[in-house]
Amino acid sequence: DGGITQSPKYLFRKEGQNVTLSCEQNLNHDAMYWYRQDPGQGLRLIYYSQIVNDFQKGDIAEGYSVSREKKESFPLTVTSAQKNPTAFYLCASSTRQASRYGYTFGSGTRLTVV
Amino acid sequence: GQQVMQIPQYQHVQEGEDFTTYCNSSTTLSNIQWYKQRPGGHPVFLIQLVKSGEVKKQKRLTFQFGEAKKNSSLHITATQTTDVGTYFCAGPGTYKYIFGTGTRLKVLA
Repeated sequence: DGGITQSPKYLFRKEGQNVTLSCEQNLNHDAMYWYRQDPGQGLRLIYYSQIVNDFQKGDIAEGYSVSREKKESFPLTVTSAQKNPTAFYLCASSTRQASRYGYTFGSGTRLTVV
Repeated sequence: GQQVMQIPQYQHVQEGEDFTTYCNSSTTLSNIQWYKQRPGGHPVFLIQLVKSGEVKKQKRLTFQFGEAKKNSSLHITATQTTDVGTYFCAGPGTYKYIFGTGTRLKVLA
């Protein structure tokens, strides 16, 4: 079955540590996105990529980094510079135009700083 | 920059009552999409509207795109407990969609 997989589902991080969230898709989508969602809030865009080896900052990129070395993969690193990283992180993918079928989201990673 | 706002932010209804959420864009949109996120889950694409004044139905859900293509609405008839969740609209920006602020629906049995 085609889909988008995020791992791990739950992640605990100590303050000062970097952590990397995985996002893999087998939908042959060109575009991939990372969103942050805080409890009861909307979706805030962190980074997005329209094509391999290229990505752009979203609205809240500070303290995060990404790479897009393969079409299928778009990992997100939450660095120690991110002061309040506890949140629900959602990865999504789409065709370049995202038309007709919209974004396909992964099931998310819940990151908690302990 | 482009903004997409939704009202209301929260809505509590009794089961069987109707529900409507409204989406307003600061710019004219070529299309608009709607998503549903169940509590604890991830957003799921529901539908895309493209034409001015377009109305589409999915069972008890009715989606409408405004004549000026700057607003949209989602109406649920006779809500059920399975309708609980947050509904987001999204409009196309530059290389990405701009998601609305969302409307959280709670259905009281």
